[in-house]
Amino acid sequence: EAGVAQSPRYKIIEKRQSVAFWCNPISGHATLYWYQQILGQGPKLLIQFQNNGVVDDSQLPKDRFSAERLKGVDSTLKIQPAKLEDSAVYLCASSILVGRTTEAFFGQGTRLTVV
Amino acid sequence: AQKITQTQPGMFVQEKEAVTLDCTYDTSDQSYGLFWYKQPSSGEMIFLIYQGSYDEQNATEGRYSLNFQKARKSANLVISASQLGDSAMYFCAMREGGSTGFQKLVFGTGTRLLVSP
Repeated sequence: EAGVAQSPRYKIIEKRQSVAFWCNPISGHATLYWYQQILGQGPKLLIQFQNNGVVDDSQLPKDRFSAERLKGVDSTLKIQPAKLEDSAVYLCASSILVGRTTEAFFGQGTRLTVV
Repeated sequence: AQKITQTQPGMFVQEKEAVTLDCTYDTSDQSYGLFWYKQPSSGEMIFLIYQGSYDEQNATEGRYSLNFQKARKSANLVISASQLGDSAMYFCAMREGGSTGFQKLVFGTGTRLLVSP
């Protein structure tokens, strides 16, 4: 079974530039998460999709971050314009509801450096 | 309010010894799940073990066991017979919400484990 795919693995941009990250979840997984993990901290949930609908985006800085999940499969996360404090690893995860267990599988992440 | 609390920023253990990583949680839901993930220096998040709030027995997966004390709202990870490859960050996470609801997965701040020879 293929895992969660993310690209790019690394990205360096200047502040005020734009950047986009892509995620392809595991086939059949209805739930997709985007997390931001700043160095030395735990992952922080930015947005959660159920199929192609947003179920939680309470911690997404909507003035600069946007995300979409077209057709309930792939997802993109965009930052426009980027700030220095956006430097972090952006993790995508997906899960499928199995009884009360919904283990999330993670991609390898995209490491963003804003200079 | 912090949902998941991991009070140990770092832990040291000698190879072949057991180590306990602490995790306490806060929720008003009756149905929830607790997870432990390992994050090596390469960055990927590796699922280790799961405990459901209705599970009466503590979860075990090989050398990993979860010491679940529901009344105390704690879900400590026990790693037996530590190996050098266990050196990594360990995150406790909680999924809230009913089995048919849209469940959120929130993480603690992590504990860095260092296993010495």
